[in-house]
Amino acid sequence: GENVEQHPSTLSVQEGDSAVIKCTYSDSASNYFPWYKQELGKRPQLIIDIRSNVGEKKDQRIAVTLNKTAKHFSLHITETQPEDSAVYFCAASRDTGTASKLTFGTGTRLQVTL
Amino acid sequence: DAGVTQSPTHLIKTRGQQVTLRCSPKSGHDTVSWYQQALGQGPQFIFQYYEEEERQRGNFPDRFSGHQFPNYSSELNVNALLLGDSALYLCASSLGSYNEQFFGPGTRLTVL
Repeated sequence: GENVEQHPSTLSVQEGDSAVIKCTYSDSASNYFPWYKQELGKRPQLIIDIRSNVGEKKDQRIAVTLNKTAKHFSLHITETQPEDSAVYFCAASRDTGTASKLTFGTGTRLQVTL
Repeated sequence: DAGVTQSPTHLIKTRGQQVTLRCSPKSGHDTVSWYQQALGQGPQFIFQYYEEEERQRGNFPDRFSGHQFPNYSSELNVNALLLGDSALYLCASSLGSYNEQFFGPGTRLTVL
């Protein structure tokens, strides 16, 4: 089955700096890669996603890149703000047309300091 | 437009008991997935329902079962509870299997 590894487990950056979180996946047939942000005691919220036919996607301060050959994808947050502090999870999925389970990484705790 | 809702919010049970958790998907969504999130870990896939059938299942024992109703809402049942079943149980809904999954607030289950 699919295995997703995520690094680093914790990341501390100063406000205004950039943050990068990296994930690798094992199943070459995976074709959907979402990123979720989870604040303490809250539900995971989808912040950006990318499909295997695209190499990069950007939404304001957030961008995701995908390297299918190397089987890794990354989340980039620019101009970080204190409200970006949370746990971020990457996930991978192979949509079979009838089902698509998400396999999550172990999470990255991002702390943005003033 | 209501998002994904789950009930109850919190639940305390003792070992050996049975529990039923409920989920109502986001309006317009027809697919429901259940995940277990232990403290400090990422969500683990339990199973996914579409058209009232279990379409895919993760590595969870048969003590975990589910159901989807004609209105797309879903239940997760866990029998013979173990201490290790203590976790946050998340429901996620989507339109079909190919689209993004939106999570509910979760049910915090504590097994004593």
